[in-house]
Amino acid sequence: KQEVTQIPAALSVPEGENLVLNCSFTDSAIYNLQWFRQDPGKGLTSLLLIQSSQREQTSGRLNASLDKSSGRSTLYIAASQPGDSATYLCAVEGGNTPLVFGKGTRLSVIA
Amino acid sequence: KAGVTQTPRYLIKTRGQQVTLSCSPISGHRSVSWYQQTPGQGLQFLFEYFSETQRNKGNFPGRFSGRQFSNSRSEMNVSTLELGDSALYLCASSQPGLAEGGTQYFGPGTRLLVL
Repeated sequence: KQEVTQIPAALSVPEGENLVLNCSFTDSAIYNLQWFRQDPGKGLTSLLLIQSSQREQTSGRLNASLDKSSGRSTLYIAASQPGDSATYLCAVEGGNTPLVFGKGTRLSVIA
Repeated sequence: KAGVTQTPRYLIKTRGQQVTLSCSPISGHRSVSWYQQTPGQGLQFLFEYFSETQRNKGNFPGRFSGRQFSNSRSEMNVSTLELGDSALYLCASSQPGLAEGGTQYFGPGTRLLVL
């Protein structure tokens, strides 16, 4: 059974700092991995999707990497801003299985 | 392109009642998935529908059911509500086979409170 773990559970950083969020999964037979952002009480916004054959994806200040063999992914946020404050969720999808989510990392960027 | 919409956004029910939630996917998307989000359990998969057929089902009791219509709109129903059913219910749509792969697009959710 696939399990996804995100560390740390919460993170507080000053504005402008670069930061890394970590995600690990137990079964490397994945189809893809997605990073989402969730603001309090809201739905999820897809940030980046990495297919199993890819190593990384970039969008603006965000960069996500995937190491399928070791069961790890990282989300790198450059030059953090207060507007980046949210919960970041990692999820993996198997070939015929639905998305399995981690519990998320709650990020606070302090101005 | 309009995003995923969910109705209603908020609901208050009492134990023993039933509830129906609705989800309209992004135009052209044929896959709809439902998730339950609670502070303790996080996001848990309920079920997935594709072209009106249930393709996958999570580990929830039979009180939770769903269906998908020919226009890809989906509904989920919870019968005999329990206090523990209080949660944010999220719907996501996707279109397997597109260039972006399996990207799932989520709606704003329906917040259900059971008293």
